Amino acid sequence: QTVVTQEPSLTVSPGGTVTLTCASSTGAVTTGNYPNWFQQKPGQAPRALIYSTTNKHSWTPARFSGSLLGGKAALTLSGVQPEDEADYYCLLYYGGVRVFGGGTKLTVL
Amino acid sequence: EVQLVESGGGLVQPGGSLRLSCAASGFTFSNSWMSWVRQAPGKGLEWVAVIKADGSVKYYVDSVKGRFTISRDNARNSLYLQMNSLTAGDTALYYCARDTGSYLGFDYWGQGILVTVSS
Repeated sequence: QTVVTQEPSLTVSPGGTVTLTCASSTGAVTTGNYPNWFQQKPGQAPRALIYSTTNKHSWTPARFSGSLLGGKAALTLSGVQPEDEADYYCLLYYGGVRVFGGGTKLTVL
Repeated sequence: EVQLVESGGGLVQPGGSLRLSCAASGFTFSNSWMSWVRQAPGKGLEWVAVIKADGSVKYYVDSVKGRFTISRDNARNSLYLQMNSLTAGDTALYYCARDTGSYLGFDYWGQGILVTVSS
């Protein structure tokens, strides 16, 4: 069973930069896993931020960016805003099967 | 405007069945792969199942294989999840989402519907 691992929690100061990562138990994450990133705030449905590693949706703020970093998918927030405090989830595709990471709780403090 | 609206949730006894529906609008449903995703109370997201645009291909997470069936009716712009042999572990908020794969990923999500399995 494939496991996708994220940092359980991270803390960042307003205006700072933070990188969240997403690792696969099968080995290096590649563009073929089409990494997706989602933001979820309490009581809300997830909101898509990044698809296919680096691509932003039309509604994604410019301060969010996606990449591959050291064999992992990565989500970088630059110039963090207080409203960025949320849970962040990555999703990887493995052929027909999709697997979410366990999520990262981002605190802006 | 894209809308995905889930329905059919509720309280069901262990061993029971439930059928979730997801009504889609604002996009060409018949051209879109669709997925179900669930979230147990206080836990993370778990992908459950996906169905190809024409309904010919389906994939499931191991934990629901043989118990859940994903289906669709493109004439009604509707997605379904038939859930049988339910256990307490299936208690969750269930979301439907448009799943475009390499094109746009999971771009649109419903608001979710709660399924509670309890005696």
